[in-house]
Order: sequence, then structure tokens, then C-alpha cells
Amino acid sequence: SQQGEEDPQALSIQEGENATMNCSYKTSINNLQWYRQNSGRGLVHLILIRSNEREKHSGRLRVTLDTSKKSSSLLITASRAADTASYFCATPSGGYNKLIFGAGTRLAVHP
Amino acid sequence: AAGVIQSPRHLIKEKRETATLKCYPIPRHDTVYWYQQGPGQDPQFLISFYEKMQSDKGSIPDRFSAQQFSDYHSELNMSSLELGDSALYFCASSLVDRGTTEAFFGQGTRLTVV
Repeated sequence: SQQGEEDPQALSIQEGENATMNCSYKTSINNLQWYRQNSGRGLVHLILIRSNEREKHSGRLRVTLDTSKKSSSLLITASRAADTASYFCATPSGGYNKLIFGAGTRLAVHP
Repeated sequence: AAGVIQSPRHLIKEKRETATLKCYPIPRHDTVYWYQQGPGQDPQFLISFYEKMQSDKGSIPDRFSAQQFSDYHSELNMSSLELGDSALYFCASSLVDRGTTEAFFGQGTRLTVV
């Protein structure tokens, strides 16, 4: 990965359980974003957390950011089968904000 | 709302052939990005355009070129195709001038080189 590692690479859980994915990055950032990708489809922006924020919520999503450790986590609460997808963290880089992606976590939620 | 449109959705080419991928960004977005995603890999940045001028370049092979036209659509041209070029190619657009960094992605073009 250009940016860093995501942990775990794959996660398999039952509906109703919580799913936690972690991401580490290498460079200083202004913000960190999480994207979701259904199999072979486009990436969908989920949530953005700025470097001066420590935690952010959006619906069933909770994102944390620890700039001292250069890491972020995405928590999906009360997971559903429809949450099955790959989840990537990404950080904008350069003057035109190209995204540098982490390696992604493949989440499988079983009914 | 209009989204990023890519065409074609699927493309099969033989080695050494040429492929052209098209991208129509969200209206009034000023920046277009191209990414390549190999099987099981994370998306890798290739190239971007801001207001029709190349703004950034990533790990794009010399066999690839891209441009953005006056109507803001963009094309990625890939020549002398190799088996390793088989991948999903995404286009994304953003409104950099507004200070936003969120990118909106198209559904991608799946290129298979045989």
C-alpha cells in the first residue's frame, strides 16, 4: 500500500455485532477519510475526520483519529449483511488532494 | 444528483492493443483523478487534472497518457497493453477550489487484457 496498513485484512462477523477496522498512515495529514467499496464497484465516501478531531460519528459509524500514533479506526455498530464490503482509509496528498489509500479491510457480515 | 460516469464498464483487449477509457466528472467539479486497482489491491493514484491541466502524476506507466478536454471529460489512453494492466480503473472528481477533499468515484472500468 502507498499509505500504510489496515488491520485486519479480513473480518467475518455475525449480523448485530460490531466491526472495528484500523488504519495506519505514514505522513502528516490534514484529514483522513474512510471509503467503502462493494465488490468490484466504485468507492463511496463514508466519513471524513480532520486532524484536529479525535472522534466523529455518522449514523452507525464511529471514527477515531490518533495523530500521535498516525492511526485511525472505523467502528460499525450493529452490523448488517448489507455492510459487507471492503473498507479503505485514505488521506489527501499534494496541492490537488490526490488520495493515498490504505490496503483495505474486507468485511463479511453473515445473516 | 449527477455522479461520475465512466465508460465503458467492461473492456477486453488483447496484449499490445490500445484502450481508451472515458470519464465524465460531476458538473462544475474542477479536478479529475484516475486510479488503478489491481485484484485484491488498494487503488493506486495515476494522474489528475485541475481545470484541464495536468496537476499531479503518480505511478502511471509511460505507455499510458491522459487528458482533459474543454467539456471537462477526461480520457485515459493505454497503449501496448500488457497482461498486468488488467485492473479496475476508476475516475473520481472533486471540487478542490471549495477546499473540499472528498472525492466522488465512478463505477469504474474493468479492463481485462488477454
